[in-house]
Amino acid sequence: ETGVTQSPTHLIKTRGQQVTLRCSSQSGHNTVSWYQQALGQGPQFIFQYYREEENGRGNFPPRFSGLQFPNYSSELNVNALELDDSALYLCASSPSPETGSLNTFGSGTRLTVV
Amino acid sequence: GQQLNQSPQSMFIQEGEDVSMNCTSSSIFNTWLWYKQDPGEGPVLLIALYKAGELTSNGRLTAQFGITRKDSFLNISASIPSDVGIYFCAGRLVNNAGNMLTFGGGTRLMVKP
Repeated sequence: ETGVTQSPTHLIKTRGQQVTLRCSSQSGHNTVSWYQQALGQGPQFIFQYYREEENGRGNFPPRFSGLQFPNYSSELNVNALELDDSALYLCASSPSPETGSLNTFGSGTRLTVV
Repeated sequence: GQQLNQSPQSMFIQEGEDVSMNCTSSSIFNTWLWYKQDPGEGPVLLIALYKAGELTSNGRLTAQFGITRKDSFLNISASIPSDVGIYFCAGRLVNNAGNMLTFGGGTRLMVKP
């Protein structure tokens, strides 16, 4: 059984650029959530995807968007990057949209915006 | 911003000592979770709590879901060097649907052999 895998592991982008981060969910999991973890802080919920649709969103602007594919994998897209977007982006998968306590987290993508 | 107040922010203890950390909120949670995060990794679930008053153990770890549903604590007994890491509390607010978890700011634990 494979866990949650994220790519790339590290990324450096310039302010104003766009970025796409990828996540493969754990086998048997159909729900994917994305979190942003700034340095020295706890993760903050961005949004959740189930059945290829967003079904929950945290306090993040529309330039944060996502996709989920039929195989349950997911992408996080961030447009018009700002310096404050520098963070560790964590993907978590779970067996259903109501079982957050069973979230399995990936190791994250470290995004640096310069 | 964070809705969970986690304390202490950091602890430096001697191997073998017991550790206690807690989280409080002004909001009611229906689930409390405790995670450990090692450098370069994502959080790993240690204990999940689902009912007010629930006390659950996982080896040397014990956690409780506060009766008011606004707080939780985690105790680690007889600490060992591999306990080093950042511990996060997280919860699901009563009014939040789905898997939206709110995390505390973390407790950084350092253990001196």
